[in-house]
Amino acid sequence: SQQGEEDPQALSIQEGENATMNCSYKTSINNLQWYRQNSGRGLVHLILIRSNEREKHSGRLRVTLDTSKKSSSLLITASRAADTASYFCATGPDTGRRALTFGSGTRLQVQP
Amino acid sequence: NAGVTQTPKFQVLKTGQSMTLQCAQDMNHEYMSWYRQDPGMGLRLIHYSVGAGITDQGEVPNGYNVSRSTTEDFPLRLLSAAPSQTSVYFCASSSSQGRNEKLFFGSGTQLSVL
Repeated sequence: SQQGEEDPQALSIQEGENATMNCSYKTSINNLQWYRQNSGRGLVHLILIRSNEREKHSGRLRVTLDTSKKSSSLLITASRAADTASYFCATGPDTGRRALTFGSGTRLQVQP
Repeated sequence: NAGVTQTPKFQVLKTGQSMTLQCAQDMNHEYMSWYRQDPGMGLRLIHYSVGAGITDQGEVPNGYNVSRSTTEDFPLRLLSAAPSQTSVYFCASSSSQGRNEKLFFGSGTQLSVL
């Protein structure tokens, strides 16, 4: 079963606008990560936030984590057409199987 | 560095055929894994390995075998291909430092089983 579930499934915005994607998960985690996938390509790691962190920034990316609500958000500011891609959250569990569990992703379309 | 290299990029099989998807990394990563990606779904873990000689099952292991004889290579074998195994397969690796650190992905193998 999917650990992380992204919301919305699809998002279409204009260039220059901000894009916000949300991720909810079910079990205790060690960290949460966001990945990007361009059409027909492999996934590329964007940012990792640990369970004891609440917010993290990387360039135009801002990630928040609320462990009490078991949720995270990814904000892309001042979006560009080149940001068009699918974005996935992935959770790393505290214990048990050492493996990331991926959500089903958000498809972001940035209109020029 | 080449990173994670997967071959082939595309493959068409007939039901019942067997084949091996190759994965190699040149980053000296201890951890390697195989995922499959189906339309509208996220990635699902097939098998993973935390080091040479050590493998374990993921979420969807049936119909697949793996082995890890070297740190660099982690091949995925389809024993008897079925149409349900039509998917895009990704190999990924990460360092052994810490638990569940970021993954480096290959570019994928698109497999069709007729």
